[in-house]
Amino acid sequence: AQKVTQAQTEISVVEKEDVTLDCVYETRDTTYYLFWYKQPPSGELVFLIRRNSFDEQNEISGRYSWNFQKSTSSFNFTITASPVVDSAVYFCALTTSGNTPLVFGKGTRLSVIA
Amino acid sequence: DVKVTQSSRYLVKRTGEKVFLECVQDMDHENMFWYRQDPGLGLRLIYFSYDVKMKEKGDIPEGYSVSREKKERFSLILESASTNQTSMYLCASSPRAFGVLGETQYFGPGTRLLVL
Repeated sequence: AQKVTQAQTEISVVEKEDVTLDCVYETRDTTYYLFWYKQPPSGELVFLIRRNSFDEQNEISGRYSWNFQKSTSSFNFTITASPVVDSAVYFCALTTSGNTPLVFGKGTRLSVIA
Repeated sequence: DVKVTQSSRYLVKRTGEKVFLECVQDMDHENMFWYRQDPGLGLRLIYFSYDVKMKEKGDIPEGYSVSREKKERFSLILESASTNQTSMYLCASSPRAFGVLGETQYFGPGTRLLVL
């Protein structure tokens, strides 16, 4: 069975501070994909990044960075926070084979204070 | 850009009514999914479909049915709405994955359903 755990339910940070959203996953498969999605107050889930299990290279995109560590089964997401665009709920998700649905964590609500 | 649209952003229905939630995608995706989202429970899969006229139960199919008569459209049906089906409903689509690794799912804006 697959499982995604996002232990942080809610986080508040001050603008321009770095914040890390934790994601820990469980799977017995050696081949899998991990995802991060963002859900702003409007409700739509916005795709942010996909990483496959063969690629442990960390990624940086502007104010966002992702740290994938198979040794600890973690795929953490760090943001240099900006209030208007970053206050949202963030979901980590996992799929282990071609066309199966995603397994989601319960999400972390990030509030950025100006 | 991938576009997934849902027929309503907000919907209010009465207990016992039959409710149809429509989802349309314009990217010729084979896979389509219906999730519901509740506070503290995250996203839970209701049904999904790999192709026209095909459907698979997800984690919480009870009280729901689906219809996929055309590739671009995936409907979620509440045969007799109940108050515990008050929720946010999210539709998603993805292309068919060739091989073992999954494709990205793209989501619609969601429908907030209130059952009175």
